[in-house]
Amino acid sequence: KQEVTQIPAALSVPEGENLVLNCSFTDSAIYNLQWFRQDPGKGLTSLLLIQSSQREQTSGRLNASLDKSSGRSTLYIAASQPGDSATYLCAVMSGANNLFFGTGTRLTVIP
Amino acid sequence: EADIYQTPRYLVIGTGKKITLECSQTMGHDKMYWYQQDPGMELHLIHYSYGVNSTEKGDLSSESTVSRIRTEHFPLTLESARPSHTSQYLCASSEFGAQETQYFGPGTRLLVL
Repeated sequence: KQEVTQIPAALSVPEGENLVLNCSFTDSAIYNLQWFRQDPGKGLTSLLLIQSSQREQTSGRLNASLDKSSGRSTLYIAASQPGDSATYLCAVMSGANNLFFGTGTRLTVIP
Repeated sequence: EADIYQTPRYLVIGTGKKITLECSQTMGHDKMYWYQQDPGMELHLIHYSYGVNSTEKGDLSSESTVSRIRTEHFPLTLESARPSHTSQYLCASSEFGAQETQYFGPGTRLLVL
């Protein structure tokens, strides 16, 4: 069964810093990997989707990379802002087209 | 912004009651999903549907049931709620395909006393 791990569980950074969130998964037979953002009391917002054949995706200040063979992905956030504060979830799609989620990294950007 | 809605947003109910959590989407998506998320834990898929009259169980066993009579509607029902059902329930939908982004609703926080 696919297992997804995210490190660190929580992270606090001052505004303006660049940061990296890490995600690892146990089964490299994936269709894609997605990064989501979850705000308290709200649902999930998709940030980036990387297909299994791709190495990275970029959207604004966000860059996600995928190394499928090693079972790793990173989410890079440039020039962090207080509005980036949220929980970031990594999810891989494998098996019967199901998403397997990590427990998330809770990010706090301090003004 | 995705058009997927869940009601109620919060529900506090006594043990033994029957409850239905509603989920609707206006995007015409064929695939819909229900996830369960306990505080501080990862989301687990409990049900999904490929389209009308299709329902499948996810990787996490659940006592809940679902139905898909209309494309836009995917309700989840608990016949007799128990405290162990206390959790957050998130609904999602996607276009039909192996690699489509899932769009999530705001979730329903359920507390069973």
